[in-house]
Amino acid sequence: KNEVEQSPQNLTAQEGEFITINCSYSVGISALHWLQQHPGGGIVSLFMLSSGKKKHGRLIATINIQEKHSSLHITASHPRDSAVYICAVSSTNYGGSQGNLIFGKGTKLSVKP
Amino acid sequence: DAEITQSPRHKITETGRQVTLACHQTWNHNNMFWYRQDLGHGLRLIHYSYGVQDTNKGEVSDGYSVSRSNTEDLPLTLESAASSQTSVYFCASSESGDSGELFFGEGSRLTVL
Repeated sequence: KNEVEQSPQNLTAQEGEFITINCSYSVGISALHWLQQHPGGGIVSLFMLSSGKKKHGRLIATINIQEKHSSLHITASHPRDSAVYICAVSSTNYGGSQGNLIFGKGTKLSVKP
Repeated sequence: DAEITQSPRHKITETGRQVTLACHQTWNHNNMFWYRQDLGHGLRLIHYSYGVQDTNKGEVSDGYSVSRSNTEDLPLTLESAASSQTSVYFCASSESGDSGELFFGEGSRLTVL
């Protein structure tokens, strides 16, 4: 069983829809990251969180440490949001280093105009 | 602006050849990481470094080596390239401690024939 599971694997939405991507993990963590990988391949860090909720523009990330679950929400989705969204955790099993991450396999989002 | 760059962006080589992928960052980050990304596996950690002269093995380190002689660079060497090392390689860096936002290079696509 993977230590970090994302759902769904693929998601197609219409422009304007509210989108939720889920991430569940089975290890103790010091932090959770949400990353965005565009079709060109570049990877950008969206959020790093260890508790609660963070918001940046139309993106919101939440984490529930007790339930070992995080969600990434996109409000008023747009075709430019089309990308692969990757969840990753800094596991305390590996010293909790922010870069020594365990990655989910990603959620491919396609937003249609 | 600070940045992290990888070179070459694309490389084709033959089995058994030595290959070095370069990673250079101007963020002055102590932490640097090498990942590989393969279909069906997501991103996996190869090697990482927390500072000059410090290197550590990651999940998939066999066949790879790194050295850290200064803060800016962490070259990744494949001593004897194998077809199983055909992949896309990403370098990343982050500050020490809990601030931890990761900055990724653009990726290097390596094909071993």
